[in-house]
Amino acid sequence: GQNIDQPTEMTATEGAIVQINCTYQTSGFNGLFWYQQHAGEAPTFLSYNVLDGLEEKGRFSSFLSRSKGYSYLLLKELQMKDSASYLCACMDSNYQLIWGAGTKLIIKP
Amino acid sequence: DAMVIQNPRYQVTQFGKPVTLSCSQTLNHNVMYWYQQKSSQAPKLLFHYYDKDFNNEADTPDNFQSRRPNTSFCFLDIRSPGLGDAAMYLCATSRATGAADTQYFGPGTRLTVL
Repeated sequence: GQNIDQPTEMTATEGAIVQINCTYQTSGFNGLFWYQQHAGEAPTFLSYNVLDGLEEKGRFSSFLSRSKGYSYLLLKELQMKDSASYLCACMDSNYQLIWGAGTKLIIKP
Repeated sequence: DAMVIQNPRYQVTQFGKPVTLSCSQTLNHNVMYWYQQKSSQAPKLLFHYYDKDFNNEADTPDNFQSRRPNTSFCFLDIRSPGLGDAAMYLCATSRATGAADTQYFGPGTRLTVL
């Protein structure tokens, strides 16, 4: 079966760095997406990786290793507004998105 | 601004009373999706349309139906809502269904069933 695993919840301190991991098993692979979702709101697109390596976008970076079925989202200089759930989603061979349940990130002052 | 709009943002209905949720987009995207998301769970795909080509997920209950009368609009009909259908319903669009075709979401409709 197809599966996305990510931690349920993480806590970090304002100004610090946090890494949110995601492992996946899918039938085929056409890229991995990270979305941010604030409580009660819709997911908003953060990043897309299809090749191995690190993609940097301001304070947020996303890494992919296809051989390990692994990705992480790195958030630097954490701000209180970064408190949200972070969803990992993989596109399989049929171009369907397989979603993780999300990691709830709690930022403390 | 190009966007995905959902109405209403909050919908309350009674057990068994039909309800329709609406979605519109100004992105001129070919594909529209309906997802159901319950608290702390992954979004669950119910349907998607590529233009007018309708695709129903295998495990979407018959209680859920959808219409896409034109490129801009898509509707989700819940014929007889049960308590288990209380959830956030998310509409999303994408240009196509290939790799790197990012899905863009509307603000969602939170459905409460009394």
